[in-house]
Amino acid sequence: DVKVTQSSRYLVKRTGEKVFLECVQDMDHENMFWYRQDPGLGLRLIYFSYDVKMKEKGDIPEGYSVSREKKERFSLILESASTNQTSMYLCASSSFMNTEAFFGQGTRLTVV
Amino acid sequence: GEDVEQSLFLSVREGDSSVINCTYTDSSSTYLYWYKQEPGAGLQLLTYIFSNMDMKQDQRLTVLLNKKDKHLSLRIADTQTGDSAIYFCAEGTDNYGQNFVFGPGTRLSVLP
Repeated sequence: DVKVTQSSRYLVKRTGEKVFLECVQDMDHENMFWYRQDPGLGLRLIYFSYDVKMKEKGDIPEGYSVSREKKERFSLILESASTNQTSMYLCASSSFMNTEAFFGQGTRLTVV
Repeated sequence: GEDVEQSLFLSVREGDSSVINCTYTDSSSTYLYWYKQEPGAGLQLLTYIFSNMDMKQDQRLTVLLNKKDKHLSLRIADTQTGDSAIYFCAEGTDNYGQNFVFGPGTRLSVLP
């Protein structure tokens, strides 16, 4: 059974904190993605990676960075959390053929 | 850039058919997807269709693709309360390193 696992379901952080969201996949997928989901806006791509140490900016990269040191792990970093980063964050992975994206269960982040 | 649009809400009565519509802009899309998101969960792939197909049927689900109009629809026959969820339309290509583009999601409410 394929699996994408996000390290936390719920997180509450303070403004200005550095926040790490972790995602691990066990399918040996080349591609990994971070999206944020907000009501009425759907999923917006923050960053994606198509190989170890490779990353590409998505539609809304400002205020975020990513790290992919190992193929199975893709981390999203909020350098200095702000209240407008309160959202649901979804990680996904796919093979290089991109036939299907598999999603984690999501992390609901609240910044206070 | 690519854009995917959907209406945000749909209500149907239990036992009726539901039709969720989607339009997209990228004519080079190779695959078009329907994902389902239940409350508090990540996205789960329901079905997908290759861009060279017009229709795909899978049990209660029928997907219709009008490539000329860039219009995709998902029909759910005999809609049940368990079908209440958010449904996302998405497009993707099989180009290495490309990502998926999602619509805003349609919230389907099934009334008893």
